[in-house]
Amino acid sequence: EIVLTQSPATLSLSPGDRATLSCRASQSVGSYLAWYQQKPGQAPRLLIYDASNRATGIPARFSGSGSGADFTLTISSLEPEDFAVYYCQHRSNWLLITFGQGTRLEIK
Amino acid sequence: QVQLQQWGAGLLKPSETLSLTCAVSGGSFSGYYWTWIRQTPGEGLEWIGEIHHSGSTNYNPSLKSRLTISVDTSKKQFSLKLNSVTAADTAVYYCARGNGIRFTNGVSFPKDFDFWGQGTLVTVSS
Repeated sequence: EIVLTQSPATLSLSPGDRATLSCRASQSVGSYLAWYQQKPGQAPRLLIYDASNRATGIPARFSGSGSGADFTLTISSLEPEDFAVYYCQHRSNWLLITFGQGTRLEIK
Repeated sequence: QVQLQQWGAGLLKPSETLSLTCAVSGGSFSGYYWTWIRQTPGEGLEWIGEIHHSGSTNYNPSLKSRLTISVDTSKKQFSLKLNSVTAADTAVYYCARGNGIRFTNGVSFPKDFDFWGQGTLVTVSS
């Protein structure tokens, strides 16, 4: 079973800063990695699929990169609404889906 | 814009059956997998299972013996039933649309989930 490890657990930044979030897989997942944003009381929102493709309606300040086992979600200039929890996710097959434990992005 | 609206009982006693329904609007129902995912503070996000509009299903092996996911294409709805619930089934339950079909060993499945319902808190307590 693939394990996704996200770092850091918490990231404290200010609006306008650049945010870099990491997701490391225990083995190669190719480019099959997605990123989600979740705000309190809301469902997760798909940001990035296939490691680097922005989902419909996602602002250009969000970008994803990486392949194999190391992936990065970058937010180029933080807006107040970007402070949330971010999850990475990979699906190995029709039975196995893995989510990372999340990175909390908080206002410094 | 695709929207998913879900509903169902929020408070159950141990051994009862959890039942949730999700209605899809604003987009095509055909050609997609429709999924249930739950979230707890301790375990995080857990995939429960999914159903294709054609009726084929994929279930989480750890829940399979208690789980039924069904679809009503005429109403653009799909439903979750989980039998014999315990406190461990207490969670926020989400319905979602599967995005990006892959195939492995001849079995199809969505890679990720692009539209989600609002979530339903289900509490199991005596």
